[in-house]
Amino acid sequence: DAMVIQNPRYQVTQFGKPVTLSCSQTLNHNVMYWYQQKSSQAPKLLFHYYDKDFNNEADTPDNFQSRRPNTSFCFLDIRSPGLGDAAMYLCATSRDFRDEQFFGPGTRLTVL
Amino acid sequence: AQSVTQLDSQVPVFEEAPVELRCNYSSSVSVYLFWYVQYPNQGLQLLLKYLSGSTLVKGINGFEAEFNKSQTSFHLRKPSVHISDTAEYFCAVSDTGTGANNLFFGTGTRLTVIP
Repeated sequence: DAMVIQNPRYQVTQFGKPVTLSCSQTLNHNVMYWYQQKSSQAPKLLFHYYDKDFNNEADTPDNFQSRRPNTSFCFLDIRSPGLGDAAMYLCATSRDFRDEQFFGPGTRLTVL
Repeated sequence: AQSVTQLDSQVPVFEEAPVELRCNYSSSVSVYLFWYVQYPNQGLQLLLKYLSGSTLVKGINGFEAEFNKSQTSFHLRKPSVHISDTAEYFCAVSDTGTGANNLFFGTGTRLTVIP
């Protein structure tokens, strides 16, 4: 029944070591989003895809990249994680803009 | 740009008591308003949303919220809470224009229901 799946649920990486987080969806939605949620803070949108069209938020650091090879999958790549990148990363999907967003359970990233 | 303020970071309440979680927003344009709930180790789940029409919105699990444009508020209420309502609650806003559905979240309110 899972609709938005995130793997892994917990990820530990070392300072500067590239890491990839995965999101998949069974809803066949057009839009996929990545949010960053730091401890005791609000989720913050990093970027989104509408189909293959990528939109980066203006204040998203260059260290963060994303790939969407097909409708079902979307990846978040952090090229050189810093201690400040430790956070919960949430993936969400929506059928179209203005439709309800469905969230995955999140991946908690720890940077040592 | 929009912003959301959730005034209470933590709200403890006894089981079967009523609860109100406060949310205020600021925006220079018309907005849509949302409440999401996040249970431990789970993703965000939509509780209810205001897009247009009646200002009193009913959602899942017995929750409701009222949009008050003059006070720029969208407070969440439940007349009688259960233990299972213990969770983090997020208020969010997006503008009504065309384009991406960019949700701006508040910092959340942790509701703890005490037996």
